[in-house]
Amino acid sequence: EAGVTQFPSHSVIEKGQTVTLRCDPISGHDNLYWYRRVMGKEIKFLLHFVKESKQDESGMPNNRFLAERTGGTYSTLKVQPAELEDSGVYFCASSRRGGANEKLFFGSGTQLSVL
Amino acid sequence: QKEVEQNSGPLSVPEGAIASLNCTYSDRGSQSFFWYRQYSGKSPELIMSIYSNGDKEDGRFTAQLNKASQYVSLLIRDSQPSDSATYLCAVNRGASGGSYIPTFGRGTSLIVHP
Repeated sequence: EAGVTQFPSHSVIEKGQTVTLRCDPISGHDNLYWYRRVMGKEIKFLLHFVKESKQDESGMPNNRFLAERTGGTYSTLKVQPAELEDSGVYFCASSRRGGANEKLFFGSGTQLSVL
Repeated sequence: QKEVEQNSGPLSVPEGAIASLNCTYSDRGSQSFFWYRQYSGKSPELIMSIYSNGDKEDGRFTAQLNKASQYVSLLIRDSQPSDSATYLCAVNRGASGGSYIPTFGRGTSLIVHP
């Protein structure tokens, strides 16, 4: 079974540019989560999809961030325009049913550097 | 107050010792608790989950939960240099529509020296 895959693994862009991150969850996992880790801080929740629907986007920092999951398969997270404080590691995770006792499977993350 | 609090460390222990990692959480209604391990540059992976008060053992790992004190801990017996990693405490909080959102602490860096 393939794991959660993310790409690119690294992205270096200039302030004001646009970047799109992609996540392919494990096949059959309805629940997809985006998290971000800024250096020295906790892994912070951004949003949660159930299939193609945004179940909870309370962690999205502002309207420069747009997440989609068309068809309930892979997801994209677009940052436009990027700011310096958007730098960090963006993790995607998935789970089959999203129940209280269910563990997350993580991708290896995208390291985003905004210069 | 942060939802999940951990001492960032580093916690340094000699090989063969017991490493004790601690976590407190703020939502008294939380039901599910997880410990993830993250090696440098890698993705977090689950090592233990616990849902009931008391201890849960799995090999060299023991998770302890005290809901009254809102406290979760992870003990690693016979620590090995390969256990050196960041250990993330995660607590599931209820969210809209009956879903659950795992909320993470900042992680504790563990260093096991030979």
